[in-house]
Amino acid sequence: GAVVSQHPSWVICKSGTSVKIECRSLDFQATTMFWYRQFPKQSLMLMATSNEGSKATYEQGVEKDKFLINHASLTLSTLTVTSAHPEDSSFYICSASGLAGVNEQFFGPGTRLTVL
Amino acid sequence: QKEVEQDPGPLSVPEGAIVSLNCTYSNSAFQYFMWYRQYSRKGPELLMYTYSSGNKEDGRFTAQVDKSSKYISLFIRDSQPSDSATYLCAMVSGGYNKLIFGAGTRLAVHP
Repeated sequence: GAVVSQHPSWVICKSGTSVKIECRSLDFQATTMFWYRQFPKQSLMLMATSNEGSKATYEQGVEKDKFLINHASLTLSTLTVTSAHPEDSSFYICSASGLAGVNEQFFGPGTRLTVL
Repeated sequence: QKEVEQDPGPLSVPEGAIVSLNCTYSNSAFQYFMWYRQYSRKGPELLMYTYSSGNKEDGRFTAQVDKSSKYISLFIRDSQPSDSATYLCAMVSGGYNKLIFGAGTRLAVHP
């Protein structure tokens, strides 16, 4: 149980385009979803927290107009990187927590974004 | 000072060795402590989850929390090459389950 999927697993795009990444909880209802980014050989940095039906809460220094987060249902959250630039190239990972495990987060496999 | 300190390694051990991984933290409000394993280019996988001080054992893995010293440990017994990964400690802060991660320790177990 507690499986989280992400799509796509990797994406390459041109500078200036927008990219949408999906995060799904497959076998539980995720009341809260989190989006992280991870640079090579570095730890995970929380970008934003989203609750179903609410606006996301962004961490300090994360541009909410650039990283659009939608948590439309208890099983799906999306992260859209708008007008992507090469410095946005990173590994984006989502996680989800549900009512059964208040302090447990289950992570997706990650999405590698490369902006040319 | 970072909230969570973790030696990034790398740590290289022979197969069968006992591995000790550690983190220290500064925020005494942390109550929940986790260890995640992350293979290269994959998302983290929850290994151990501990509330407050004490020990927790699961197979070859033992997690220890010493809140008085603000120090947590993960021990891996009879380490295997398949244990080669990055191990991240994490702690929960705040009402929204916000995880604060350590830098991660890269472990290599060689046959």
